[in-house]
Amino acid sequence: EAAVTQSPRSKVAVTGGKVTLSCHQTNNHDYMYWYRQDTGHGLRLIHYSYVADSTEKGDIPDGYKASRPSQENFSLILELASLSQTAVYFCASTRESSYEQYFGPGTRLTVL
Amino acid sequence: QQKVQQSPESLIVPEGGMASLNCTSSDRNVDYFWWYRQHSGKSPKMLMSIFSNGEKEEGRFTVHLNKASLHTSLHIRDSQPSDSALYLCAASTGNTGKLIFGLGTTLQVQP
Repeated sequence: EAAVTQSPRSKVAVTGGKVTLSCHQTNNHDYMYWYRQDTGHGLRLIHYSYVADSTEKGDIPDGYKASRPSQENFSLILELASLSQTAVYFCASTRESSYEQYFGPGTRLTVL
Repeated sequence: QQKVQQSPESLIVPEGGMASLNCTSSDRNVDYFWWYRQHSGKSPKMLMSIFSNGEKEEGRFTVHLNKASLHTSLHIRDSQPSDSALYLCAASTGNTGKLIFGLGTTLQVQP
């Protein structure tokens, strides 16, 4: 089964601080995604990437940056964390666009 | 407005019963529907996908799709307590691989 790992699994950050969430996949997948999940909003796409060194904006990119330095790694960066960014963040990967997305275990981020 | 609408929000069925979940997209460009299951505190895992009109069955799970109305439904027969989870419907368009998720249906199967 496809393996997607995320680190850290949970984090408490202060308002205005910088937060980096990391995602690593060992499945040779080209596509990677970052989602956030909030009660009442479901899963929403923040950024995604088709290939290393290239990222695309998703549906809610404001306040987030993404970095794909290699095929295996995809990071989500919050330069100035805000209270509204408290959520669970999931990374996912897939081989091609029409294939099943495999999700990582999630990172619970709390911004105080 | 949510582009992918799911109903009901929550559902309680007895063990051994049938659970029926619905999902509709308002985006005419949608060409693929996905059903994911998310147990509490876990990550979503794909159950089934469908892109052709008609029905697809895998074990106790059956998914229907009506492309004209952009409506899909998931039916779980002989429901088990382990089926208790959040069921997420997602739609995708073209070859971007982007999924738009609905808010989900919370299913509780009572022993």
